[in-house]
Amino acid sequence: GDSVTQMEGPVTLSEEAFLTINCTYTATGYPSLFWYVQYPGEGLQLLLKATKADDKGSNKGFEATYRKETTSFHLEKGSVQVSDSAVYFCALSVSDYKLSFGAGTTVTVRA
Amino acid sequence: EADIYQTPRYLVIGTGKKITLECSQTMGHDKMYWYQQDPGMELHLIHYSYGVNSTEKGDLSSESTVSRIRTEHFPLTLESARPSHTSQYLCASSARRGGGNTGEQYFGPGTRLTVT
Repeated sequence: GDSVTQMEGPVTLSEEAFLTINCTYTATGYPSLFWYVQYPGEGLQLLLKATKADDKGSNKGFEATYRKETTSFHLEKGSVQVSDSAVYFCALSVSDYKLSFGAGTTVTVRA
Repeated sequence: EADIYQTPRYLVIGTGKKITLECSQTMGHDKMYWYQQDPGMELHLIHYSYGVNSTEKGDLSSESTVSRIRTEHFPLTLESARPSHTSQYLCASSARRGGGNTGEQYFGPGTRLTVT
């Protein structure tokens, strides 16, 4: 079945450090790929998305490239801030209704 | 900006009580979902709906029930709450794929339920 494997956390960084969260997927068909972010006490927000191979999604300094050859969609940010502390979820959509989520990665950025 | 609302945000209730968690969206989305989020953060789909009068069970078995009488409204009900129901419940909606929509879901802020 369709599934997402996400880098385990927690991840703790200092401000201005480089962040990478690995995400790989297994899917039949041609999935759309997403990164969601969840701040403490809130629901999930769509951070970025990519719909086909080699697409790059970007938002708020975060980037992820849809790599079909490695079935990956790694999230990166060049210089993190304390406000980036959150839980990040990788997800894929293949069918008309369902998202498959990774387990989530907790990121803590220290000043 | 997605407009999807959940009430209450926090609920503490005793065992055996009946509860209804409300979810409404103003985007006209056909599809709506309920997720249960464990303390370990993983999301589990418990119910979804393709549209009015459509409800389906998700991947995780749940004692809750849902209804979809109006497009914008997708309430979740627990007839008799138990401590094992303590969790966060997230509602989401999505538009039909195609025409620029790629299947992303929009989430409400969640209801944190504690059953004592």
